[in-house]
Amino acid sequence: QQPVQSPQAVILREGEDAVINCSSSKALYSVHWYRQKHGEAPVFLMILLKGGEQKGHEKISASFNEKKQQSSLYLTASQLSYSGTYFCGTERSGGSNYKLTFGKGTLLTVNP
Amino acid sequence: KAGVTQTPRYLIKTRGQQVTLSCSPISGHRSVSWYQQTPGQGLQFLFEYFSETQRNKGNFPGRFSGRQFSNSRSEMNVSTLELGDSALYLCASSTQGAGTGELFFGEGSRLTVL
Repeated sequence: QQPVQSPQAVILREGEDAVINCSSSKALYSVHWYRQKHGEAPVFLMILLKGGEQKGHEKISASFNEKKQQSSLYLTASQLSYSGTYFCGTERSGGSNYKLTFGKGTLLTVNP
Repeated sequence: KAGVTQTPRYLIKTRGQQVTLSCSPISGHRSVSWYQQTPGQGLQFLFEYFSETQRNKGNFPGRFSGRQFSNSRSEMNVSTLELGDSALYLCASSTQGAGTGELFFGEGSRLTVL
């Protein structure tokens, strides 16, 4: 089951904040976040494990609400370099089956 | 350290033909995963190989197949191409496999089916 990401797209001005959500109807073991810039390969941002760990990457952080099966990615004081499509990938509970199921992505555009 | 290399980068085929895509993982990585990326569906999992064994497979028809060689290089094949197979095919390598850590993606092979 593909996780649902929201919003589908967001436009910011440099310095503004944004939140991207990723929800699953299935119990999750972990959530992974990737960013893909136009014409480039997706790049790993962070992993969040069951247990509500909050991880950080530069000015980008994320949380994982195990009860809601939802993860949120927080981008603070956005920079032009943050523009791209953000994907969450989920791994279902029960141990690794070596498969990430990705959402459809959230297109983030940061303007000067 | 060299990244994940995919070849060819671009290719055009006609319906009914078959295509083989290649992926060379980062040195030391034994896991290779394949994903199909389309504008409407995002990244869709195709299959994952580890030490020449397929450990998981996505919901794609049997026309999609893959294999991994002893040097961890992987190939995927699509037979009897359809228009809907037009997509960017991404491979990703890792040390232990998807879900266990960071995936390193290649830049992809863009397939156009006419």
